[in-house]
Amino acid sequence: DAGVIQSPRHEVTEMGQEVTLRCKPISGHNSLFWYRQTMMRGLELLIYFNNNVPIDDSGMPEDRFSAKMPNASFSTLKIQPSEPRDSAVYFCASSQGGTGPGYTFGSGTRLTVV
Amino acid sequence: AQSVTQPDIHITVSEGASLELRCNYSYGATPYLFWYVQSPGQGLQLLLKYFSGDTLVQGIKGFEAEFKRSQSSFNLRKPSVHWSDAAEYFCAASNDYKLSFGAGTTVTVRA
Repeated sequence: DAGVIQSPRHEVTEMGQEVTLRCKPISGHNSLFWYRQTMMRGLELLIYFNNNVPIDDSGMPEDRFSAKMPNASFSTLKIQPSEPRDSAVYFCASSQGGTGPGYTFGSGTRLTVV
Repeated sequence: AQSVTQPDIHITVSEGASLELRCNYSYGATPYLFWYVQSPGQGLQLLLKYFSGDTLVQGIKGFEAEFKRSQSSFNLRKPSVHWSDAAEYFCAASNDYKLSFGAGTTVTVRA
């Protein structure tokens, strides 16, 4: 099993540009999560999908952020337009059946907005 | 409000010495409890989890954790630390789909 795969690993972009982060969950997992990690705020849940449907997006900071899960094997997190304060490590995680089994995290995307 | 607290920001331990990382939670009912480890530049790896039953939980890499309801704690321990255990450790809790993480404890291992 290849685990949760995220791309790119690093992204440097200029303020105002669109950024798209990608995630491939583990096959068979029906829950997908996007988290953001910063020094100031730690790990924050941005959005949770269950069976490809967004269940909780209350953690999405503002309208500049959007996430999609068009099928069970792919999800994107988009920031448009990006701002320097969006600089963080973004993690995707998946699980089978919510929290119970524990999440499997991807290696993260380190985003730097200059 | 639901929260997870890791009182120690940074711990330094000698290789071969024992390690204990503290975690306290504040939830209405006993949540699911987890410990994750994050090595530099890596994602979070699940070390162990507690749902119910035996209060001493064994995990990977020689780690164990003890759940104490009376103290609302879920402390992580390892009898003998290896240099490769240097990392950041996160305690987490959940009573639904959402994991709430503590702020993390950075462990430094000295030779």
